[in-house]
Amino acid sequence: KAGVTQTPRYLIKTRGQQVTLSCSPISGHRSVSWYQQTPGQGLQFLFEYFSETQRNKGNFPGRFSGRQFSNSRSEMNVSTLELGDSALYLCASSSSGQGAGELFFGEGSRLTVL
Amino acid sequence: TQLLEQSPQFLSIQEGENLTVYCNSSSVFSSLQWYRQEPGEGPVLLVTVVTGGEVKKLKRLTFQFGDARKDSSLHITAAQTGDTGLYLCAGHLTTDSWGKLQFGAGTQVVVTP
Repeated sequence: KAGVTQTPRYLIKTRGQQVTLSCSPISGHRSVSWYQQTPGQGLQFLFEYFSETQRNKGNFPGRFSGRQFSNSRSEMNVSTLELGDSALYLCASSSSGQGAGELFFGEGSRLTVL
Repeated sequence: TQLLEQSPQFLSIQEGENLTVYCNSSSVFSSLQWYRQEPGEGPVLLVTVVTGGEVKKLKRLTFQFGDARKDSSLHITAAQTGDTGLYLCAGHLTTDSWGKLQFGAGTQVVVTP
């Protein structure tokens, strides 16, 4: 079974630009969560999507948004990038049945904002 | 402020030694998980504990969940260089959806030959 796939793996943007990151979950997983990982704050929850609906949202500004498609693939968008948005963005999928709450992470998208 | 406090932040030991990592909170968790993350990769799930007082063993790794479901520990026996990595504890609050985990800051473990 293929794992969680995130694209792109690396990207460099400048302040003020926007970025879109993509995540394909494990086949059959309907829940997709996004996390931001930085050296100072560790892993911080961004949001979770289930069946195309946002089920939970973390404490991030409105510049951070996401969506989920009918095939469970998910995207997150960050607008008006700031230097502090430089981070590893991790996507995780989980099943809704047995094993719910066990997250399977992708390798992440490393965003650098200059 | 993170709900889960991990200690120590950094641990450097030699191969063959034992180590213990602690994860503490004042909150009650419905389940707690341990992940290991290596550079350039996402965290990989090691174990999930759900019952207070539960002990799980995974080869040389032993995981405990506190009776009150507020704390956990990870013990590695006879560490090997392959155990090097960032160990993260993560808990699921009963009020949160399944995809939302509260993560500790992590413990960087370095095992030298």
